[in-house]
Amino acid sequence: EPEVTQTPSHQVTQMGQEVILRCVPISNHLYFYWYRQILGQKVEFLVSFYNNEISEKSEIFDDQFSVERPDGSNFTLKIRSTKLEDSAMYFCASSTGHGYGYTFGSGTRLTVV
Amino acid sequence: GESVGLHLPTLSVQEGDNSIINCAYSNSASDYFIWYKQESGKGPQFIIDIRSNMDKRQGQRVTVLLNKTVKHLSLQIAATQPGDSAVYFCAENSGNQFYFGTGTSLTVIP
Repeated sequence: EPEVTQTPSHQVTQMGQEVILRCVPISNHLYFYWYRQILGQKVEFLVSFYNNEISEKSEIFDDQFSVERPDGSNFTLKIRSTKLEDSAMYFCASSTGHGYGYTFGSGTRLTVV
Repeated sequence: GESVGLHLPTLSVQEGDNSIINCAYSNSASDYFIWYKQESGKGPQFIIDIRSNMDKRQGQRVTVLLNKTVKHLSLQIAATQPGDSAVYFCAENSGNQFYFGTGTSLTVIP
């Protein structure tokens, strides 16, 4: 069964450093998303991406965040200058249609120290 | 903004019994809902979905019921198994994103 792949599974970084979280969505999917989940809290939407541009973003997705699809297979989330409160699980998802039938990756656990 | 909430944060059931997990949503314009299962250290896994033009949808051992009048969604798991132990989220589609509830932790007692 096709799956969304995320790397790394765990990333530890110092506060103020830049991190890039990587995702390989399912190959025939057209919509891409990043969500995050702070420990013990609910999954929160960050951003959606379609046709090589951001289609929607939440209040969490401020100027410190950016997304890119550098080639035909990867989808990345960059946090420019990490803060302690950025520590969370970050999930990538992709879908074939507008909000339809997401498939999530297993997540990257980001720990900012 | 929209809010999706769950009535019970934890649920324990005996193996073989049926489980019912409930969810309330607030946006009456939402037209698509998904139940996800999340095991420890893993991403949300799609279980079953339902569109607002339906009241009920059945999958393998799972049934989702949608009551639009009271904005309530439930997930029924038949003959619950130890492998069903996980956190279950309902998610409500609004625009191009989903709003997730906080989750219900289901524990299956052997």
